[in-house]
Amino acid sequence: DADVTQTPRNRITKTGKRIMLECSQTKGHDRMYWYRQDPGLGLQLIYYSFDVKDINKGEISDGYSVSRQAQAKFSLSLESAIPNQTALYFCATSESGFSTDTQYFGPGTRLTVL
Amino acid sequence: DAKTTQPPSMDCAEGRAANLPCNHSTISGNEYVYWYRQIHSQGPQYIIHGLKNNETNEMASLIITEDRKSSTLILPHATLRDTAVYYCIVMNYGGATNKLIFGTGTLLAVQP
Repeated sequence: DADVTQTPRNRITKTGKRIMLECSQTKGHDRMYWYRQDPGLGLQLIYYSFDVKDINKGEISDGYSVSRQAQAKFSLSLESAIPNQTALYFCATSESGFSTDTQYFGPGTRLTVL
Repeated sequence: DAKTTQPPSMDCAEGRAANLPCNHSTISGNEYVYWYRQIHSQGPQYIIHGLKNNETNEMASLIITEDRKSSTLILPHATLRDTAVYYCIVMNYGGATNKLIFGTGTLLAVQP
């Protein structure tokens, strides 16, 4: 499903570097999310946004920042990358106004911090 | 949000039904049960959700017990492509965050 795209798909960077992960969606959804996944574990919520002017911290926001540039775009930044931020990062979207909140995920970005 | 308990792994023969259990004994009345799956390192994929009635779609069936303390996801005819980690999640729509809390899930291995 190419409705949610993430760039880059893979990235290797060094400690202390600033890095941005980008997410775009063509589903027309209001809500967007960033998760990280460590090997063998479930997903943890980093940040979420219910509309362009709404940004909220998730469970593990320290060391990360986000920008909602438009309804369709939600970027995640690591201001100064550290090795324990090595993980798989997923963006997700969902639609507001319904009685439930099904989320649709992008393909993920594999980030390695050396 | 209520926590869920799932077995860490299960096997299923190809062509057979796969029945994945989930306990959510502290679920509250306005919390939905969601199922997602993740095929190796891909983005999680929505499967099905329900509140209290049994649900069926083209992918699976969801059976929720009358007391809502447990549920079972049924893949009626498992194929090798169904090998994945399956996550059972409860979520309170209308709460402050509407966020999914993923546990470690059940690794379903479909055997040829």
